[in-house]
Amino acid sequence: AQSVTQLGSHVSVSEGALVLLRCNYSSSVPPYLFWYVQYPNQGLQLLLKYTSAATLVKGINGFEAEFKKSETSFHLTKPSAHMSDAAEYFCAVSRPDSGYSTLTFGKGTMLLVSP
Amino acid sequence: KAGVTQTPRYLIKTRGQQVTLSCSPISGHRSVSWYQQTPGQGLQFLFEYFSETQRNKGNFPGRFSGRQFSNSRSEMNVSTLELGDSALYLCASSSSWGNEQFFGPGTRLTVL
Repeated sequence: AQSVTQLGSHVSVSEGALVLLRCNYSSSVPPYLFWYVQYPNQGLQLLLKYTSAATLVKGINGFEAEFKKSETSFHLTKPSAHMSDAAEYFCAVSRPDSGYSTLTFGKGTMLLVSP
Repeated sequence: KAGVTQTPRYLIKTRGQQVTLSCSPISGHRSVSWYQQTPGQGLQFLFEYFSETQRNKGNFPGRFSGRQFSNSRSEMNVSTLELGDSALYLCASSSSWGNEQFFGPGTRLTVL
C-alpha cells in the first residue's frame, strides 16, 4: 500500500518569507511524486513532478521540491512567498503497478500568506 | 489546446436519485481518471479509463460506475444517491501511462 502524509493542515507565512510544505510518502516500489495546487472553486493545477530523474525538481511559479529517498520525503519550497500563493497544496504519489495512472493524495496543506 | 471540461459544474439532487457527470479530456488524451473530493476524506481515486476500458478502480461501492467513449469522453454515474455522496468530482486526463494528469474544474454535487 502507498500513502502520503502532509505535515500541517495549515501553514502561515508572511509575504516574502520562505515557504516550506512538507510531504512524506510510503511506497514499497519507486514512485512518481507530484505537487498540485488548488485555488478556491477550481480544479488542481500541477506544480511539479518527480519521475526518477533529477532529485531536485523545479516547477512553475518559483516552486521546487527535492526527492530524498532516505527520508522518504518530497518537501515543496519557494524562497519568497507572494500573496497569490495562498491556496491549498496537495502532495500525491503514483506507482508502477497502476501504470503510474492513479494518484494517491495527501490531505492537503492550506497556505496562508499575510502582508 | 482547450483544457479538461466537465459538465455540469453544479448539481443538486435528492437522496435515492441517480446522476451522470460528463468529462471531455484534452484533445489527444486517451486516459481519463475520476476523483472524489470531500472535506472529510480528501481526494480519493474512483476509476481510470483508457481506450474505453476501465484500467484501474478505487475502493468505492458499485453504485459508482463509469464509461469512456471512442472519442475519449467519459461519464460517471452514481445511482441511489446518499447524503455522503455530496462532493466535488474531479476528472483528469493524461496522454499516456505515467504522464501528468490535467484536471478539470470539477462538478460540485450536492445531495439533499
